Amino acid sequence: AQSVTQPDIHITVSEGASLELRCNYSYGATPYLFWYVQSPGQGLQLLLKYFSGDTLVQGIKGFEAEFKRSQSSFNLRKPSVHWSDAAEYFCAVGTGRYSTLTFGKGTMLLVSP
Amino acid sequence: EAGVAQSPRYKIIEKRQSVAFWCNPISGHATLYWYQQILGQGPKLLIQFQNNGVVDDSQLPKDRFSAERLKGVDSTLKIQPAKLEDSAVYLCASSSSRGGGNEQFFGPGTRLTVL
Repeated sequence: AQSVTQPDIHITVSEGASLELRCNYSYGATPYLFWYVQSPGQGLQLLLKYFSGDTLVQGIKGFEAEFKRSQSSFNLRKPSVHWSDAAEYFCAVGTGRYSTLTFGKGTMLLVSP
Repeated sequence: EAGVAQSPRYKIIEKRQSVAFWCNPISGHATLYWYQQILGQGPKLLIQFQNNGVVDDSQLPKDRFSAERLKGVDSTLKIQPAKLEDSAVYLCASSSSRGGGNEQFFGPGTRLTVL
């Protein structure tokens, strides 16, 4: 069965600094990978997804992620963090185009002034 | 386009009581999901519907949880009787099977507290 590990429970970044959130997955074949963001009291919003092709994926709100098969990773990055980015971020893996998703436990991003 | 609607947003009940949650997916979305999100964890799939049929309910505690999707649109999730460990946010999501892969659109969730 597939699984997702997000090693960092909390991360604090200064506003304007760069951000990288780590995600490692376990799955035997090519995974379908997603990053979602959840603001307090809100549902999850899709930031970006990877199915195939270019391993560097651009998403909404200035986020990008890079799929590295050799490292089983799909890390999320943003060059300059804004205070409004403070939220919880979830990485998820699917086994097929319309499969169910397995989520990681999430990383809480705090942005300091 | 209206998003996924859920009600109620909050519910507090005593253990052993029953509770029901309602979800209205995005119009035209054939696939509907119910997730349970316990504090500090990621969402865990409870059940997936394709139209009004169940695709995956392997993680649904069937002794106390039930779900239905009549007419392939709205869905209800019921817990009877509730236990303390059922305290969580229950998220409903929907997706279209017509292209775009498995992008799931989530509702705001129902926060359940069992006392």
